Amino acid sequence: NAGVTQTPKFQVLKTGQSMTLQCAQDMNHEYMSWYRQDPGMGLRLIHYSVGAGITDQGEVPNGYNVSRSTTEDFPLRLLSAAPSQTSVYFCASSYLADSGNTIYFGEGSWLTVV
Amino acid sequence: AQKVTQAQTEISVVEKEDVTLDCVYETRDTTYYLFWYKQPPSGELVFLIRRNSFDEQNEISGRYSWNFQKSTSSFNFTITASQVVDSAVYFCALRSNFNKFYFGSGTKLNVKP
Repeated sequence: NAGVTQTPKFQVLKTGQSMTLQCAQDMNHEYMSWYRQDPGMGLRLIHYSVGAGITDQGEVPNGYNVSRSTTEDFPLRLLSAAPSQTSVYFCASSYLADSGNTIYFGEGSWLTVV
Repeated sequence: AQKVTQAQTEISVVEKEDVTLDCVYETRDTTYYLFWYKQPPSGELVFLIRRNSFDEQNEISGRYSWNFQKSTSSFNFTITASQVVDSAVYFCALRSNFNKFYFGSGTKLNVKP
């Protein structure tokens, strides 16, 4: 029972490099999202998707792109990494039927931009 | 505006003490959901409880209990007879009708033996 799988778990990037954080879920969830966690700030929503082909911005979308070509996958792209993007990133998914559905998180990806 | 406030940044207790983690939320939605998540040192986020805005019944699950009061917009979490394994960061979260989660900044709980 894989749940929500994120890769890589750890990554070090140089400023200006690009990379993609992968996220996959095997629960047939319509809703997928990306959060970043910074010390003392909780989790902040970057982008989310309510289904294949549909994405929208969250609270802190600048510097990130997403796409949702399939129900299962929701990759997060950093176009030109900056030190301010050093953070822990969490992918999450849930059913869409009602807002009460519990959201399931991946194990997190630790990203350092030097 | 949606907002979740966890005013307690860090709490330290000695094992077997009871501890309450505070959560205050703001929302204009009439229907919403509140959650608590635990983040142990290993980093993953573990779901603890969900409560909808129409259900103010308090809940007890083992050593955990939750007190939801709409009148004060609070959803507090109490651990009875705390244990070292309870040491973690605890997040309160609000889910609105637009499928966005709003998280508090978290409360780090240190339980000392």
